[in-house]
Amino acid sequence: DVKVTQSSRYLVKRTGEKVFLECVQDMDHENMFWYRQDPGLGLRLIYFSYDVKMKEKGDIPEGYSVSREKKERFSLILESASTNQTSMYLCASDRDRNTGELFFGEGSRLTVL
Amino acid sequence: GQQLNQSPQSMFIQEGEDVSMNCTSSSIFNTWLWYKQDPGEGPVLLIALYKAGELTSNGRLTAQFGITRKDSFLNISASIPSDVGIYFCAGQLSWGYGNKLVFGAGTILRVKS
Repeated sequence: DVKVTQSSRYLVKRTGEKVFLECVQDMDHENMFWYRQDPGLGLRLIYFSYDVKMKEKGDIPEGYSVSREKKERFSLILESASTNQTSMYLCASDRDRNTGELFFGEGSRLTVL
Repeated sequence: GQQLNQSPQSMFIQEGEDVSMNCTSSSIFNTWLWYKQDPGEGPVLLIALYKAGELTSNGRLTAQFGITRKDSFLNISASIPSDVGIYFCAGQLSWGYGNKLVFGAGTILRVKS
């Protein structure tokens, strides 16, 4: 069974803190993605990676960075969290970049106070 | 950037009723997809459409890829309580090193039993 696992379901952080969101997939997928989900805005792409150590900016990369040191792991980093980064973060991977089928994790709900 | 207009934003329907939702865009997409997100989970792919004019069914679900490639609809027949959740349309287009998904804002479905 395919699995994308996000390390934290719920986090509460303070403004200015550094935040790490970890994602691991066990499907040997090449491509991994980080999305942000907000009510009324749907899912917006933050960053994606098509290979180890490779990354591409999505639609809303400002305030975020990513790291992909191993194929199965893709981390999202908030260098200095701000209140407007309070959101649900979803990690995903895909086996074939042409099908559009993404496999999502359960999400990490981040609250920045 | 590309935007998808998804409607309705939410629906509250009686069990057994049919449901219809749609997505439109000013951009042309090469693939249309419909995802469902159950409460507390990540989105899961329901139906993928790869050809303009294509009509595809998956159990009680039916979806169509508009002939102009700028729209798609999803119908759910005879709704049941487990249909509750958020339904997202997504359009795929070529971008950078692969394909990019653009998501609609979602349709929240609530079913009265």
